[in-house]
Amino acid sequence: ETGVTQTPRHLVMGMTNKKSLKCEQHLGHNAMYWYKQSAKKPLELMFVYSLEERVENNSVPSRFSPECPNSSHLFLHLHTLQPEDSALYLCASSQDLGSMNTEAFFGQGTRLTVV
Amino acid sequence: GENVEQHPSTLSVQEGDSAVIKCTYSDSASNYFPWYKQELGKGPQLIIDIRSNVGEKKDQRIAVTLNKTAKHFSLHITETQPEDSAVYFCAASMRGGATNKLIFGTGTLLAVQP
Repeated sequence: ETGVTQTPRHLVMGMTNKKSLKCEQHLGHNAMYWYKQSAKKPLELMFVYSLEERVENNSVPSRFSPECPNSSHLFLHLHTLQPEDSALYLCASSQDLGSMNTEAFFGQGTRLTVV
Repeated sequence: GENVEQHPSTLSVQEGDSAVIKCTYSDSASNYFPWYKQELGKGPQLIIDIRSNVGEKKDQRIAVTLNKTAKHFSLHITETQPEDSAVYFCAASMRGGATNKLIFGTGTLLAVQP
């Protein structure tokens, strides 16, 4: 266990559905991240939160909406997704963003399939 | 933009042989280089990392080397075992605006044949 827990592990949703992914970290970290992992592509950084404040949004479509209510929890709200959004969505946390030596701890991911 | 290139994309070795995965990075300011192992159905897990003030680091059967001049770093696994089979990702730290972040390579699928 890495100390980062994601739920659900698997999710199948229709293009008109609304769902949310949840991430919780028990490491006392101040920074949390959402990554998208698609086949044969590098991990794509989607959002970065530091101390509950969004500090980076890498041109992610508005159908993905993150929420960070406190430093231990991170959500990704999904609505009107497209089939190409099917991927493994990974949450990660790190101690902070202030140093270049940023060791990241990953959750097990949510395997999302959009039908 | 800043990127990390990783080779090979797939690697098959016999049990007991060594495996080497290589990465190059573009940002000369990068100073932290972790390696992650991702097993089927799991998220990436850190296996070893190296910082720019050293050229080599070893942890049992795993070692990483760094050449800052050439901007490349490599993962070496000796005496490979079937449980080493997984996807391995390299990453390099890069500064982007107000944040420091990790840029990942595309991954190497390592298969260790018993």
